[in-house]
Amino acid sequence: ETGVTQSPTHLIKTRGQQVTLRCSSQSGHNTVSWYQQALGQGPQFIFQYYREEENGRGNFPPRFSGLQFPNYSSELNVNALELDDSALYLCASGHPGAEAFFGQGTRLTVV
Amino acid sequence: EDKVVQSPLSLVVHEGDTVTLNCSYEVTNFRSLLWYKQEKKAPTFLFMLTSSGIEKKSGRLSSILDKKELFSILNITATQTGDSAVYLCAVNPPLNKLIFGTGTLLAVQP
Repeated sequence: ETGVTQSPTHLIKTRGQQVTLRCSSQSGHNTVSWYQQALGQGPQFIFQYYREEENGRGNFPPRFSGLQFPNYSSELNVNALELDDSALYLCASGHPGAEAFFGQGTRLTVV
Repeated sequence: EDKVVQSPLSLVVHEGDTVTLNCSYEVTNFRSLLWYKQEKKAPTFLFMLTSSGIEKKSGRLSSILDKKELFSILNITATQTGDSAVYLCAVNPPLNKLIFGTGTLLAVQP
């Protein structure tokens, strides 16, 4: 157990809808990152938040957005869902420069 | 463009065998290399390597980094069925984002 919790664990959405995924960081961690993992691939970096500010973004379109709250929990929002957005979404928390600890992930299926 | 390449893509061994997993990388401003084990969903942290030539060890697992040749290996001795998983290698350039390889799928047969 890493202390990083994500909700929901599974989700099915229709193309064009919007979705919000949630992550509760491990206690004391001020950095949270989100990753998308397609089947058979390694996780791809979406973005990172540090003390409520976006601190780096991967090659994802603006319809992927996020928030970090004062308690360091975080949300990932995806608008206008596409079929290719179907993936495992992983949240990781840690301190800058140190190892990241991952949650169990949210399996999103877009139909 | 930063990239991480892992080999082999998949591997089948028998219990008791020793395996070596490979990870090569190209990244600007390298800071560290990390190994994770992914069984079902959450990747679990194994090692973080920052210095060349210093072996990190945890039980039957060990890893070493070569910053000159830009690669790392993960060794697992006396494999057990519980070692079956995807092993992910990632590098950590500035901005703290992790760049992952595709992973090596290890299957340990009884």
